[in-house]
Amino acid sequence: DTAVSQTPKYLVTQMGNDKSIKCEQNLGHDTMYWYKQDSKKFLKIMFSYNNKELIINETVPNRFSPKSPDKAHLNLHINSLELGDSAVYFCASSQEPGGNSPLHFGNGTRLTVT
Amino acid sequence: GEDVEQSLFLSVREGDSSVINCTYTDSSSTYLYWYKQEPGAGLQLLTYIFSNMDMKQDQRLTVLLNKKDKHLSLRIADTQTGDSAIYFCAETSGGYNKLIFGAGTRLAVHP
Repeated sequence: DTAVSQTPKYLVTQMGNDKSIKCEQNLGHDTMYWYKQDSKKFLKIMFSYNNKELIINETVPNRFSPKSPDKAHLNLHINSLELGDSAVYFCASSQEPGGNSPLHFGNGTRLTVT
Repeated sequence: GEDVEQSLFLSVREGDSSVINCTYTDSSSTYLYWYKQEPGAGLQLLTYIFSNMDMKQDQRLTVLLNKKDKHLSLRIADTQTGDSAIYFCAETSGGYNKLIFGAGTRLAVHP
């Protein structure tokens, strides 16, 4: 039933670990995104994929690597986690890129690095 | 550069109208969006307006767009306690549906 679903909802881990967040959408959309929301609620785009191809890659450390095995999935792997990576990560999807269709967001994954 | 600005807080009495304002910089934005975020939840699309429109009304929501001043507003009529949330304005930028969000306006509705 859920349109954009992310797992896990909460992730608590120690510095230096590697972790993954998974995202799936059942809306039949072609484009998927990862956004990061910091403690002040500021949202910033990280990556975007269209039909499994990377189309947006903002200034994000190489420790972050997105992977899109198919149009319905976009996972985010993070290596060597740092304290500053603590945030809420939102997955989103849209029918197409180009600003003509709205984004649908998942409920977020709250990552806490200790 | 890309920038979206909003006031951070708004407090209104239940039953009054709320007006949340936003200014943006990218004049080529095709669409401008309003999203709502309740505590612990994701962003929910509230409404959006195409850049060649001045106004859009959807039940209790009215969006006004002043393209010349790059100013967008969201009016919520008869504000209820359930409207308490953070409201984000967003512009599209860069061609590839890259949404640039404002910092969000925290709306508090009190009796």
